[in-house]
Amino acid sequence: GENVEQHPSTLSVQEGDSAVIKCTYSDSASNYFPWYKQELGKRPQLIIDIRSNVGEKKDQRIAVTLNKTAKHFSLHITETQPEDSAVYFCAASIGDSRLTFGEGTQLTVNP
Amino acid sequence: DADVTQTPRNRITKTGKRIMLECSQTKGHDRMYWYRQDPGLGLRLIYYSFDVKDINKGEISDGYSVSRQAQAKFSLSLESAIPNQTALYFCATSGLGQGEAFFGQGTRLTVV
Repeated sequence: GENVEQHPSTLSVQEGDSAVIKCTYSDSASNYFPWYKQELGKRPQLIIDIRSNVGEKKDQRIAVTLNKTAKHFSLHITETQPEDSAVYFCAASIGDSRLTFGEGTQLTVNP
Repeated sequence: DADVTQTPRNRITKTGKRIMLECSQTKGHDRMYWYRQDPGLGLRLIYYSFDVKDINKGEISDGYSVSRQAQAKFSLSLESAIPNQTALYFCATSGLGQGEAFFGQGTRLTVV
């Protein structure tokens, strides 16, 4: 089955800096790659996703890039703010089948 | 708003007891999932169901069972709870042809 690895497990940045979280996947048939944000004590919520027919997608301060050849994808957050502090999960799936999640990254943005 | 609701939100139970976690949704989705969250291990899939007559094991199904009572209801049971099943459990749903999963609020289960 699919295996998703996520790095780093913890990331600390200064407010205003950029943050990058990277994931690799094993199944070349995977074609849907969402990113979820989980604030403390809350449920995971989708923040951005990308499908394999595009290489990059942006939504304001967040962007996701996908390299199908290398089987990795990354989340980029620019101009970080304290409210970006949370656990971020990447995931992968084939079409609309079940998602396989990475282990999560605890992002801390220091004021 | 259409939502995914889990009950109970918190539960403490003793080793060897049977416990059921319930999930209901008003999103009209066919697909429902049970995940377990442990620190440093991410969200691991326990069971999933793509419609009322479909039940599939996930990566960590041992010690768990499920029941899909209706399109809107999907329950997770621990037949004989053990301490290493202490975790945060999430139910999720997704629609046919849609990749996004919508999560419930979570159930924090402690087995003592």
